Amino acid sequence: AQTVTQSQPEMSVQEAETVTLSCTYDTSENNYYLFWYKQPPSRQMILVIRQEAYKQQNATENRFSVNFQKAAKSFSLKISDSQLGDTAMYFCAFMKRYGGATNKLIFGTGTLLAVQP
Amino acid sequence: GAVVSQHPSRVICKSGTSVKIECRSLDFQATTMFWYRQFPKQSLMLMATSNEGSKATYEQGVEKDKFLINHASLTLSTLTVTSAHPEDSSFYICSASDRSLTYEQYFGPGTRLTVT
Repeated sequence: AQTVTQSQPEMSVQEAETVTLSCTYDTSENNYYLFWYKQPPSRQMILVIRQEAYKQQNATENRFSVNFQKAAKSFSLKISDSQLGDTAMYFCAFMKRYGGATNKLIFGTGTLLAVQP
Repeated sequence: GAVVSQHPSRVICKSGTSVKIECRSLDFQATTMFWYRQFPKQSLMLMATSNEGSKATYEQGVEKDKFLINHASLTLSTLTVTSAHPEDSSFYICSASDRSLTYEQYFGPGTRLTVT
């Protein structure tokens, strides 16, 4: 069974600074996807970034980038130039690649990020 | 992007009654829909996976007779909480997968259920 671990329950960062959120996972699968989702106070889940395990290049979406270390089963999220709107709960998630339409997302416990003005 | 709606956004019901939550994919056909439950400051817990036209697959520990899921069309899935009790009070979130992009789940805005 797959597990996803987020060891930082809460983090704080000053506006315009950079912060890194940690995530590790355990799986015997070789083909899978990893995700970071953001859940702001509205509680709407928002996809931040997706990484395909077979791609060595780290995914990047504007101010958000990941450090994907497949051998170490590590998938951290770096937020650059933090903005007040980045304040949210961040969830790391795992999905098998060939599970078909019933692919399940397995979520970590989340990291609550507060961006301070 | 793909949009998923949920209705109602908030509902209060009395203990012992049943309440239905709808999840709709507005601009795509959702082969599969997922139902999650989330307690305050906790992660999303998958309750069940529903495929259009077939019975839902429930996760271990989730009562099938209490949480009835119907996925009658490619755009609509419903979750009915039967004989609700205060411990069923929670935030319920649905998501949907497009058959052409099975790795993408689009999330609804959630429904806050309060059982009094």
